[in-house]
Amino acid sequence: ETGVTQTPRHLVMGMTNKKSLKCEQHLGHNAMYWYKQSAKKPLELMFVYNFKEQTENNSVPSRFSPECPNSSHLFLHLHTLQPEDSALYLCASSQDLAGGLTDIQYFGAGTRLSVL
Amino acid sequence: AQTVTQSQPEMSVQEAETVTLSCTYDTSENNYYLFWYKQPPSRQMILVIRQEAYKQQNATENRFSVNFQKAAKSFSLKISDSQLGDTAMYFCAFMKHDAGNMLTFGGGTRLMVKP
Repeated sequence: ETGVTQTPRHLVMGMTNKKSLKCEQHLGHNAMYWYKQSAKKPLELMFVYNFKEQTENNSVPSRFSPECPNSSHLFLHLHTLQPEDSALYLCASSQDLAGGLTDIQYFGAGTRLSVL
Repeated sequence: AQTVTQSQPEMSVQEAETVTLSCTYDTSENNYYLFWYKQPPSRQMILVIRQEAYKQQNATENRFSVNFQKAAKSFSLKISDSQLGDTAMYFCAFMKHDAGNMLTFGGGTRLMVKP
């Protein structure tokens, strides 16, 4: 248990559905991240939040809508997804955005999303 | 933009033997950070080892060590005395200095440790 919990672990949805992914961290961190992990592709950073404010949106389509109500929780709201959006969605957190060798990102186990 | 390349999609090693995973990167930066992350079948990414480009000495964490060649822009991971629990995807990652904790990942190497 690294302190970052993602639910659900698996999700199957149709293209017309609306669903949400949840991430919760118990590490007292201030920064949270969403990544997309597709087969045979490097991890893609989607969004970054620091102290509940979005600091990075990596040209993500609007059918993905993040929400960060507080520093411990991060959501990814999904609507009208496409089959190519099927992937593993990983959440991570870090103390803040200082980076370097000490401000390490801690990851959750991801949500495996299948869009039919 | 930085790119990270892991040229070995899959590798295997016998238990107790040593294996080296390759990673090269492309950057014009002089100071930066490099990481290896492990993603076991449980899917939870775990930091294995980290290195600052400004330091020439290779990082070591127990059975894991790196061979950092700055001029060649190479950052390979050596796993000694491989254990079954080392079976996982391994990702090399790059971070610019003062980049706001932004990681650029390679495509990963799937390592299988065989009994």
